[in-house]
Amino acid sequence: DSGVTQTPKHLITATGQRVTLRCSPRSGDLSVYWYQQSLDQGLQFLIQYYNGEERAKGNILERFSAQQFPDLHSELNLSSLELGDSALYFCASSAKFGSNYGYTFGSGTRLTVV
Amino acid sequence: DQQVKQNSPSLSVQEGRISILNCDYTNSMFDYFLWYKKYPAEGPTFLISISSIKDKNEDGRFTVFLNKSAKHLSLHIVPSQPGDSAVYFCAATRLSGTYKYIFGTGTRLKVLA
Repeated sequence: DSGVTQTPKHLITATGQRVTLRCSPRSGDLSVYWYQQSLDQGLQFLIQYYNGEERAKGNILERFSAQQFPDLHSELNLSSLELGDSALYFCASSAKFGSNYGYTFGSGTRLTVV
Repeated sequence: DQQVKQNSPSLSVQEGRISILNCDYTNSMFDYFLWYKKYPAEGPTFLISISSIKDKNEDGRFTVFLNKSAKHLSLHIVPSQPGDSAVYFCAATRLSGTYKYIFGTGTRLKVLA
């Protein structure tokens, strides 16, 4: 157990629907990062939050949004889902902006859009 | 624009031999580099890192080499063990930035017993 909790582990939904992925960071970590891993692709950075505020944005689609709540958990909202959104979505956390020991990743949410 | 590249999608090595995984980057502003290992159905786990002020960092069987002039880093695993079979991602970041990591596409290492 890495200490980063992601729910649900698996999600199957239809095109056009909306889903919410949840991430609880490791205790004490203020930064949360969201990454997408599509089939045979690397980890694509989506968005970063630090202590409730958005700090960096990557290749995140306008249909996607995220937020970090006062208790530091984060949610990634995916709407108007398309088949191409099927992927593994990882959340990671770190203390402050980062550390010399890297992020700690959760085990991911596998999203399948049918 | 793929700023971090791992050009070998897969690598097979005999148990006990050396595994060498390579990674190239294009952004000269990157000053911190990491390797992550990922098993199926698990999230990536941190393996080893190196700052741009160094050219080598060693941790047990794992050594990372950095060649800044070539914008190239490599991960050496000696000796390779079957349990090392996994996907390895390299990542790069700027310590003065937001700590956003840019990952490569990964190399699947298979260590043959």
